[in-house]
Amino acid sequence: DIQMTQSPSSLSASVGDRVTITCRSSQTISNYLNWYQQKLGKAPGLLIYAASSLQSGVPSRFSGGGSGTNFSLTISSLQPEDFATYYCHQSYSTPWTFGRGTRLEI
Amino acid sequence: QLQLQESGPGLVMPSETLSLTCVVSGGSMSSGGYSWNWIRQSPGKGLEWIGYIYHSASIHYNPSLKSRVTISIDRSKNQFSLKLNSVSAADTAVYYCARERDTSGYSFDHWGQGILVTVSS
Repeated sequence: DIQMTQSPSSLSASVGDRVTITCRSSQTISNYLNWYQQKLGKAPGLLIYAASSLQSGVPSRFSGGGSGTNFSLTISSLQPEDFATYYCHQSYSTPWTFGRGTRLEI
Repeated sequence: QLQLQESGPGLVMPSETLSLTCVVSGGSMSSGGYSWNWIRQSPGKGLEWIGYIYHSASIHYNPSLKSRVTISIDRSKNQFSLKLNSVSAADTAVYYCARERDTSGYSFDHWGQGILVTVSS
């Protein structure tokens, strides 16, 4: 199985900050990397697919980058509604696997 | 607006079979380019992909659960189902159904709200 390692596991930030979360895969996955946002008690929602493509309806302050084994999710200017947990997910080979999440808190 | 909704018992006895159904509304499951997935989430294991069904002849399971899992589809009712047998406390989790699209890679673009299943006597 491909292991996905996210860092940091938690992050404290303020409204207006620029934050970056990283995700590393245990083997190369090209750009088959997706990012999800999960708020407490809700299902995850797709933010970024194919490493850098913004899902329809997602604000442009979210961006993704990387390829191969190293990926990043950046929020350019944090808004109050962005405080949540973020997960990366590889769709290069089954079994699909997820990172353990990054909790973004005030 | 596509919606997915899980249903099933919230409590299952150890060694019994967990059975869940996901009803899809606002769109047809017969549309090409999508697979229908089950994913679970627990504090101990995080998000864990269980398996998907594309059509009856294309089903793929996580090897870690393969011996205990069955996913089936009923396109006439626009729903798909999960059965997990011989459950233990380790199977306690929130179970999600999700649609996966196969354009520009594979990603889960629609999720159900999730259902908490507790395995306990």
